[in-house]
Amino acid sequence: GENVEQHPSTLSVQEGDSAVIKCTYSDSASNYFPWYKQELGKRPQLIIDIRSNVGEKKDQRIAVTLNKTAKHFSLHITETQPEDSAVYFCAASRSSNAGNMLTFGGGTRLMVKP
Amino acid sequence: DSGVTQTPKHLITATGQRVTLRCSPRSGDLSVYWYQQSLDQGLQFLIQYYNGEERAKGNILERFSAQQFPDLHSELNLSSLELGDSALYFCASSVTGGAGTEAFFGQGTRLTVV
Repeated sequence: GENVEQHPSTLSVQEGDSAVIKCTYSDSASNYFPWYKQELGKRPQLIIDIRSNVGEKKDQRIAVTLNKTAKHFSLHITETQPEDSAVYFCAASRSSNAGNMLTFGGGTRLMVKP
Repeated sequence: DSGVTQTPKHLITATGQRVTLRCSPRSGDLSVYWYQQSLDQGLQFLIQYYNGEERAKGNILERFSAQQFPDLHSELNLSSLELGDSALYFCASSVTGGAGTEAFFGQGTRLTVV
């Protein structure tokens, strides 16, 4: 089955700096890669996603890049703010009759210091 | 608010007992997913239903079972509970059951087994 690895597990940045979180996946058939943000004690919330026919996607301060050949994708947050502090999860899934099973990475705890 | 409703929010029960977690998907969503989040295992996919039928199965224990009813709400039944079953259980829903469909998470049910 699919295996998703995420690095780093913790990331501390100064407010205004950029943050980058990287994920690798094992199943070359995976074609959907969402990123979720989870604040303490709350539900995961989708912040951005990318499909395998696209190499990069941007939404204001966040962007995701995908390298299908290397089987890795990354989340970039620019001009970080204290409210960006949370745990971020990457995930992968693939089209199949077997449904929409998301395999998550282990999570990255991002701390933005004011 | 994602529109996905989970009850109860908190549940404390003893080892060996059985509990039922309930999920109401967003209006119009046909697919429901169950995920387990524990400190050492991260977010693990348990099972997916689409329009009443099981669509995909993950690492769900035999002691656990789920179903989706005609009104599309879903229940996750956990029996012969062990201390290690203590976790956050999330339900998510999506419009369709295929990969690449955005999944919206509920607020979760925190299960504590004592």
